Amino acid sequence: GAVVSQHPSWVICKSGTSVKIECRSLDFQATTMFWYRQFPKQSLMLMATSNEGSKATYEQGVEKDKFLINHASLTLSTLTVTSAHPEDSSFYICSVAGGVTYEQYFGPGTRLTVT
Amino acid sequence: AQRVTQPEKLLSVFKGAPVELKCNYSYSGSPELFWYVQYSRQRLQLLLRHISRESIKGFTADLNKGETSFHLKKPFAQEEDSAMYYCALNPGAGSYQLTFGKGTKLSVIP
Repeated sequence: GAVVSQHPSWVICKSGTSVKIECRSLDFQATTMFWYRQFPKQSLMLMATSNEGSKATYEQGVEKDKFLINHASLTLSTLTVTSAHPEDSSFYICSVAGGVTYEQYFGPGTRLTVT
Repeated sequence: AQRVTQPEKLLSVFKGAPVELKCNYSYSGSPELFWYVQYSRQRLQLLLRHISRESIKGFTADLNKGETSFHLKKPFAQEEDSAMYYCALNPGAGSYQLTFGKGTKLSVIP
């Protein structure tokens, strides 16, 4: 399967600032990448789906101007949380897909804490 | 729209006892079903998918289209099976998107 990394693994930022999270597919050409949010002891909530070279598709209720997603290549997608607020504190997980199966390969997640 | 239901938030069993994690789905087409597992402080990883019909770490799952279920079973639970288990559905038709259930935390008591 694919090896997926996320950077940083943990970030603390002040309210009102922006933070960028990278998702890299190390050995897999990811035509599609997904960004999820996971609250403590809860399931994954899909935020958006991005296809390489095109604009991301956001799920209902997810602000596209707040959560900027860029999928510039088959191996890199970034999520930028703009003007972060404490309620944005969460665990953000990316996954990649694109093979002949419908399996998704997940990154280790990034814990964002907004103070 | 598709939906995946895992009725149990927490399931506790003794080591050596059988385990069954329930998953029901609703979807009008022909989906592909998966079980993902998340061990403590680790990333989500695929446990098994229905089309492969294989047994991974002693776990099996059979897709029952009549009951729209995809329950995960293991005859003898081990302590290392303690984890969060998520059932997920892919609608097919070229989509890579997964719809996840809320997850079941399995706790195996030594």
